This record gives sequence, structure tokens and C-alpha cells, in this order.
Amino acid sequence: AQSVTQLGSHVSVSEGALVLLRCNYSSSVPPYLFWYVQYPNQGLQLLLKYTSAATLVKGINGFEAEFKKSETSFHLTKPSAHMSDAAEYFCAVSSNTGGFKTIFGAGTRLFVKA
Amino acid sequence: EPEVTQTPSHQVTQMGQEVILRCVPISNHLYFYWYRQILGQKVEFLVSFYNNEISEKSEIFDDQFSVERPDGSNFTLKIRSTKLEDSAMYFCASRGTGGTEAFFGQGTRLTVV
Repeated sequence: AQSVTQLGSHVSVSEGALVLLRCNYSSSVPPYLFWYVQYPNQGLQLLLKYTSAATLVKGINGFEAEFKKSETSFHLTKPSAHMSDAAEYFCAVSSNTGGFKTIFGAGTRLFVKA
Repeated sequence: EPEVTQTPSHQVTQMGQEVILRCVPISNHLYFYWYRQILGQKVEFLVSFYNNEISEKSEIFDDQFSVERPDGSNFTLKIRSTKLEDSAMYFCASRGTGGTEAFFGQGTRLTVV
């Protein structure tokens, strides 16, 4: 079985500060890992994905994440937060043995202070 | 860019009524999924569907739920007798053969009153 744990249900940063959202996964097979962003009352937008190529993955809006197998982590970072980054962020995992169904973490709400 | 389309965007229904949520997957995709997100909670897997049958379903997907691919383009989720706790955002997703990523629609917000 696969699972995802997101550390911190709420994260608050100042505008211009580093954004770090933590994600740890559990998977008995090689995982595919994703970060999604959800703005209020909207759908899921894919930020980036890891599919066994480069361990450092760059996504949209200046976000990136690094796959660390030894730590079973896939933390999301952005060097400088913008007000428009305020949203809910979901880390997710899937695998080919799981029929590629996507298992989501509980989400982290990012607040950006002016 | 191809996308998964869901209709309606918002549906309000009375408790006990049947609802059908509709999805048009990306045209050459063969794997389909439904997920549910209760307000303020995480996104939960409901069911996966391939080759006109359910591949896997979660414990949430009980007898009141069913899925169907009635024609070559639509993929539907039916809730037979809605309950208040069925109020949620429902997401459809599709995946192509050999693909590692499912593409999500914008969701249908279901409100049961």
C-alpha cells in the first residue's frame, strides 16, 4: 500500500521568503510523485511530477521538488513566495502496481503575509 | 491542450435523489478514475475503470455508487440515493496507455440538501 504524509497542515511565510512544504511517502515499489495546487473552490492543478528521471524536478510558477529515496521525501520549495502562491498544496503518490491510482496527502495550506 | 471536462460544475440535489456526474476524458485515454474531496479534507480515491469494467474501488465506493462508460466519449458516476454526507467535490481523471500521470478535470461540486 502507498501513503503520503504532509508535515504541517498550515504553513505561513512572508512575501519574498522561502517556501518549504514537506512530504514523505511510503511505497513498496518505485513511486511516481506529484505536487498539486488547489485554489479556493477550484480544481487541482499539477505543479510538478517525479517519474524516475531526474531527482530534482522543476515545475510551474517557480516551484521545484527533490526526490530523496533514502529519506522517502519529496519536499516542495520555492525561493521567494508571492501573494498569489497562497493556496492548498497536495502531495500525491502513485505506481504502476497500484493501477496508477493517485493517493493524496492531507494537504498543506500556505499563507503568504505581506 | 487536451483536457478532462466535467459537467455540471455545481449540482444541488435533494437527499434521496439520484445524481449523475458526467466526465469527458481525454480522447485517446483508456483508464478512468473518480475521486472525492469533502470540503476541507483531502482528495480520496473512489474507483478506477478500464476496458468497461471496474479495476479497483475503495471502501467508500459502496452499492449506492456506480460508474459507466455509456458511449465512446463519456464516463459517468451515478449516486443512487444521495445522502447529506455525499456533499463533496468530485473529480474525474483519465490516463493514457503507458502514461504515468492521470489528468484531472476541474471537478463537480455536489451539494445535497
